[in-house]
Amino acid sequence: EDQVTQSPEALRLQEGESSSLNCSYTVSGLRGLFWYRQDPGKGPEFLFTLYSAGEEKEKERLKATLTKKESFLHITAPKPEDSATYLCAVQAMSNYQLIWGAGTKLIIKP
Amino acid sequence: DAGVIQSPRHEVTEMGQEVTLRCKPISGHNSLFWYRQTMMRGLELLIYFNNNVPIDDSGMPEDRFSAKMPNASFSTLKIQPSEPRDSAVYFCASSLPDRRFNEQFFGPGTRLTVL
Repeated sequence: EDQVTQSPEALRLQEGESSSLNCSYTVSGLRGLFWYRQDPGKGPEFLFTLYSAGEEKEKERLKATLTKKESFLHITAPKPEDSATYLCAVQAMSNYQLIWGAGTKLIIKP
Repeated sequence: DAGVIQSPRHEVTEMGQEVTLRCKPISGHNSLFWYRQTMMRGLELLIYFNNNVPIDDSGMPEDRFSAKMPNASFSTLKIQPSEPRDSAVYFCASSLPDRRFNEQFFGPGTRLTVL
C-alpha cells in the first residue's frame, strides 16, 4: 500500500537552530514528491517538487532532498516566520492522486 | 491575481441542513480539486475536475456529497443532508493545464461545523 509518513509530528527550535524534517514514503514507482507549507487558517502553499533520487531544490532557508525511500526538508538558520506545518505528498506512477503525509508542525522561537 | 477564492470562510449549521461551498479558481487554471482536512485523516482528495469535467469522484464519502463545475470560473460542493462527522475544513485548489497534480494553488478554505 502506498503511504507517506512524516516525522517528527512537531519540532520546536530556537531562532537560528538548523534542523531537518523527514518524509518517508512507500510507493510503487515514484512520479514525484511534493513539499507544501501550511500556515494556521490558510491553505497549503506549494514549495518544491522532486522527481528523482539525488535531486535537490532550494528556496531561501529551505532545501529539499530526495532518496529512494525518503525526503528531507532542511531548514538553515530558521526565523520565527518559518513557523508553519510542512506537508509532504507523493504521486505514484500508477495513480495521479497525491498521497499526503500528516505534516510536521515547526515552531521557531525568537 | 486574487488567488483561489472560497466562500463562505466559516459555516455553522445544524445536522440535516444543506450546505453549499463555493470556489472560484485562478483564471487560466483548468484543473480544480476539492479537498477535506481533519486532524484525524489529514488532507483527503474528494473530487477532481479537468476542463470542467469531473474526472474522479472516488474520494467523495457518500451520496450526500455532490460537486459541480458549470463553467471554468466556478465550482460548488454540496452536502445534503449534513452530519456532524462532516465537520472539517474544505479546500479548493486549482492548477495550470500542464501541472495538473504538481503545483496546486489552494484557497483559504471553508471551516464547516455541523452541530
